[in-house]
Amino acid sequence: QVQLVESGGGLVKPGGSLRLSCAASGFTFSDYHMSWIRQAPGKGLEWVSYISSSSGYTNYADSVKGRFTISRDNAKNSLYLQMNSLRAEDTAVYYCARVDYGGNSGVLDYWGQGTLVTVSS
Amino acid sequence: EIVMTQSPATLSVSPGERATLSCRASQSVSSKLAWYQQKPGQAPRLLIYGASTRATGIPARFSGSGSGTEFTLTISSLQSEDFAIYYCQQYNNWPPVTFGGGTKVEIK
Repeated sequence: QVQLVESGGGLVKPGGSLRLSCAASGFTFSDYHMSWIRQAPGKGLEWVSYISSSSGYTNYADSVKGRFTISRDNAKNSLYLQMNSLRAEDTAVYYCARVDYGGNSGVLDYWGQGTLVTVSS
Repeated sequence: EIVMTQSPATLSVSPGERATLSCRASQSVSSKLAWYQQKPGQAPRLLIYGASTRATGIPARFSGSGSGTEFTLTISSLQSEDFAIYYCQQYNNWPPVTFGGGTKVEIK
């Protein structure tokens, strides 16, 4: 069965950095595009970033552009999010999600359980 | 960026009753609309995609309809496990995908 397991969250000071990881299993990771989505405490869902299956294309929300970098290692079945210059407003649970393909490209069909990032002094 | 608006913000429903949730897009998204369910402390789960196609394992009491800018998620007979927050999401013009603000379905 499809499994996505995030790790790397924690408490970091404003201006600091953190690297999130997402370990994938139960499907051919290299066949799928992937995304990161976040959810601030008590708030709704916000798309953060996207990476194509071969890493040839990436995209970011305006709120994180220039500070966050998405990457993947298909040999390790892993997705990453490097977060720099963190701000208090980046505090959220970060989810990795698999992006469906073909006519349903954009549908987030499987999600990890999330990892909490807290930015505070 | 396409803005998704959900209504109502909170819906109070008795078990066994029907629940009707609405989602509106700021411009046409064709049928590129998905619905997700999120329970407290859990990740969102895909319910519906293509506006009306149930995802794998989703019970038939969940149904979606609409196209263009107006969409509806209907839960025909609410079960205890259905009390949750529901989000709509467009994927017609992405990235970015955009989500509605959510509708909380609570016990009346």
